[in-house]
Order: sequence, then structure tokens, then C-alpha cells
Amino acid sequence: DQQVKQNSPSLSVQEGRISILNCDYTNSMFDYFLWYKKYPAEGPTFLISISSIKDKNEDGRFTVFLNKSAKHLSLHIVPSQPGDSAVYFCAAPPNSGNTPLVFGKGTRLSVIA
Amino acid sequence: GAGVSQSPRYKVAKRGQDVALRCDPISGHVSLFWYQQALGQGPEFLTYFQNEAQLDKSGLPSDRFFAERPEGSVSTLKIQRTQQEDSAVYLCASSIQTSPQETQYFGPGTRLLVL
Repeated sequence: DQQVKQNSPSLSVQEGRISILNCDYTNSMFDYFLWYKKYPAEGPTFLISISSIKDKNEDGRFTVFLNKSAKHLSLHIVPSQPGDSAVYFCAAPPNSGNTPLVFGKGTRLSVIA
Repeated sequence: GAGVSQSPRYKVAKRGQDVALRCDPISGHVSLFWYQQALGQGPEFLTYFQNEAQLDKSGLPSDRFFAERPEGSVSTLKIQRTQQEDSAVYLCASSIQTSPQETQYFGPGTRLLVL
């Protein structure tokens, strides 16, 4: 049973427009969420996170929104740039200790110039 | 400073061979994680160390998989008698402290292909 779901395997967006990547989770105990970005042949790199005590966290062009009642989060990138083309993973630690992350399957974003 | 490094970057093994994958975490990082990423999937947890102690190995898919971190720094993931289903990218990550909100820094991975 997948605890973190990214239902869109891919997304194409024009340069300059907004990219919205979605993530759903099933475990109501999750209280912290992360987005990682992965380029081919590289490891995932941390992008942005959000704690469940917030509903929004912003860092430059990247904003993550959390809707706890819907068990849904989304990553907004605006404006999108060609260098944003990568696979984006939503992840969460399932426990309060330093436990490994549970990842979604990822969404491949292509930003078209 | 240097990030997490992994070696080899690519490994081709014949079915039945043993392989050893190495991870050099960021210096001073207490926690070290191993993940397996199959094609088209997200990374999935294998095992986790805090210093030299292996705190959780519940993600190891079989007793053919073994990991160690004897001096609390470098870690080795060993797979015995490799099978085709072991083909995947093996990712190592480290974090500075034992907190779920500490960022995990990933290495580039070792791509294992078992023929």
C-alpha cells in the first residue's frame, strides 16, 4: 500500500508558466513533508519542505502548499524555467524519530522553452 | 565540502555473483541510509545506521542483502548471489543528526544490472 502517491507520472509546461506538482498521502500520522528534485544520473537533492503546523512554505520560485484535511500537498514553481526539468519526488518520514523517508513514484517535469 | 560519494557508479554482475557497493557519507554525518530505486519508482528504504549501529534493516528484501558501517563512517551494502530482480539504482544518503527534519543528502547512486 503506497503511503505517498504522485498520480501524474509526467507534466509538460511552457517556460515562464506555473508548474503544479501534486502529492497525496494516506498516513494521517505524517507531520513533515519534503520535495526532492532529481536529474538523470544524479541523486535526489532536497528542494523544499513543510511542517504540518503550516499550510504554506515559500522559497524563491518554489512554494509548497499543504491541505491536511485532504491529505494533499502541491509544489508550485513559478515562473518555470528549462533548468527545472527533472523528476520531482514527494516524501515524508513516517515516524517522529529519524526514520527513513517514504517516497512517491515521482513526476517528470518538462519545461519547454 | 564534498558530498556523499558512492562507488562503483555502475556495476554489471552475472546472476549468482556477489557484489559490494560502497558509500562515503558527508564527514560528521551521524545517520546513513540505503535506498533502492527500481526503474520508474521512487526510492525505497533498505536499511539505516546511526553511527555504527544498524537501527533498522526492515527494508532489506532478503537475507542475501547485508549492510555494515563498522567505524561509523563508510558503509558497504553487500548483495550475495545476485538475482535479476536486484537490478536497480542503489542510493545512499546521510544526515547530520538523528531528526526526521534533518535534510538527507543523497549520493549519485550505484546502478546495478544483473544479467
